[in-house]
Amino acid sequence: KQEVTQIPAALSVPEGENLVLNCSFTDSAIYNLQWFRQDPGKGLTSLLLIQSSQREQTSGRLNASLDKSSGRSTLYIAASQPGDSATYLCAVPTSGYSSASKIIFGSGTRLSIRP
Amino acid sequence: DTGVSQDPRHKITKRGQNVTFRCDPISEHNRLYWYRQTLGQGPEFLTYFQNEAQLEKSRLLSDRFSAERPKGSFSTLEIQRTEQGDSAMYLCASSLEDRQETQYFGPGTRLLVL
Repeated sequence: KQEVTQIPAALSVPEGENLVLNCSFTDSAIYNLQWFRQDPGKGLTSLLLIQSSQREQTSGRLNASLDKSSGRSTLYIAASQPGDSATYLCAVPTSGYSSASKIIFGSGTRLSIRP
Repeated sequence: DTGVSQDPRHKITKRGQNVTFRCDPISEHNRLYWYRQTLGQGPEFLTYFQNEAQLEKSRLLSDRFSAERPKGSFSTLEIQRTEQGDSAMYLCASSLEDRQETQYFGPGTRLLVL
């Protein structure tokens, strides 16, 4: 059974710092891995999707890496800003290489950037 | 707005009442998903549709829950005889039928059962 764990559960850093959020998953037979952002009381916004054949994806100040063999992914945020404050969720499909694509989420890292 | 929409955004009900939520996916998406999210947790899968067919249901979806997508467009999620433990955010997502496609999430319906 696939399980997704995110560490730390919460993180508070001053503005401008670079930071890393961690995600681990128990079953390495994944088709892709996604990072989502969720603002309080809101839905989810997809930030980055890494296919299993890829090792990383970049979007602006965000860089996500994937190491399937170790069951780990990291989300790197450069030069953090107060607007980055949100909960960041890691998610993987549960069906490996099948076409079904229900997602298993981690519990998220609640990030707070102090001005 | 061409994203996923959900209605209502908030619902307060008394224990034992029935509630129904609606989700309108992105128009060309043939897959539609329902998730439930409680405070401090990630969303948990409930069920998904491909067109009008409900292909999978989670064990979380007790017999008090029913979901439909009658014409393969919008979907409804009904909870009968609500319990306090049903209080959560109910999220809907849609996607194309492609393993490389991400799911696009709606804003959610927050349910509070008193």
